[in-house]
Amino acid sequence: DAKTTQPTSMDCAEGRAANLPCNHSTISGNEYVYWYRQIHSQGPQYIIHGLKNNETNEMASLIITEDRKSSTLILPHATLRDTAVYYCIVRVASGSGGSNYKLTFGKGTLLTVNP
Amino acid sequence: GAGVSQTPSNKVTEKGKYVELRCDPISGHTALYWYRQSLGQGPEFLIYFQGTGAADDSGLPNDRFFAVRPEGSVSTLKIQRTERGDSAVYLCASSLRPHSTGELFFGEGSRLTVL
Repeated sequence: DAKTTQPTSMDCAEGRAANLPCNHSTISGNEYVYWYRQIHSQGPQYIIHGLKNNETNEMASLIITEDRKSSTLILPHATLRDTAVYYCIVRVASGSGGSNYKLTFGKGTLLTVNP
Repeated sequence: GAGVSQTPSNKVTEKGKYVELRCDPISGHTALYWYRQSLGQGPEFLIYFQGTGAADDSGLPNDRFFAVRPEGSVSTLKIQRTERGDSAVYLCASSLRPHSTGELFFGEGSRLTVL
């Protein structure tokens, strides 16, 4: 799976949008971009994933650049409960063979939402 | 509850002892994963089960680590002759199907401390 690069930490004011960047310049055409987050003392939680189109769900939006070499996770109105480590992961799509069941985590970005 | 359940939540043991950690996945999920997370790091893949069989145990660090899933549901991670370096949070996750674009559901982990 392609590697990802994320900033170590970011700060955001409560109520403002949090924009978390991720670089995945070696991503392959059959690899999805996944975002998970991990609140302190809990297990990772799935947020969103996408292939090449922008995606939105009740938690966040995922913006993927046209060349797919980077993406941004957007939390539109950050709250104190959004303080967590956010992981950007690329993983091959189903049916592509290989170890596409696995998620390979990096160190992620520690997002701190301040009051 | 409907989530992934892990017991014990905390385990303190002495160096050289044997430890078992249990994972009860979401009902109906055929895929089960074990990860290990050390302080300040992202989760690290250990082993993956599809049904009763270990389809990939490439992440197990050495032969002191072993995991079983005899009936295709509950799994037990077993660590023999524990060492201080085994101290970590052991996370279990399950998914409906392994080769899909679906999410992994994580438990809250078992924190192991080896004195």
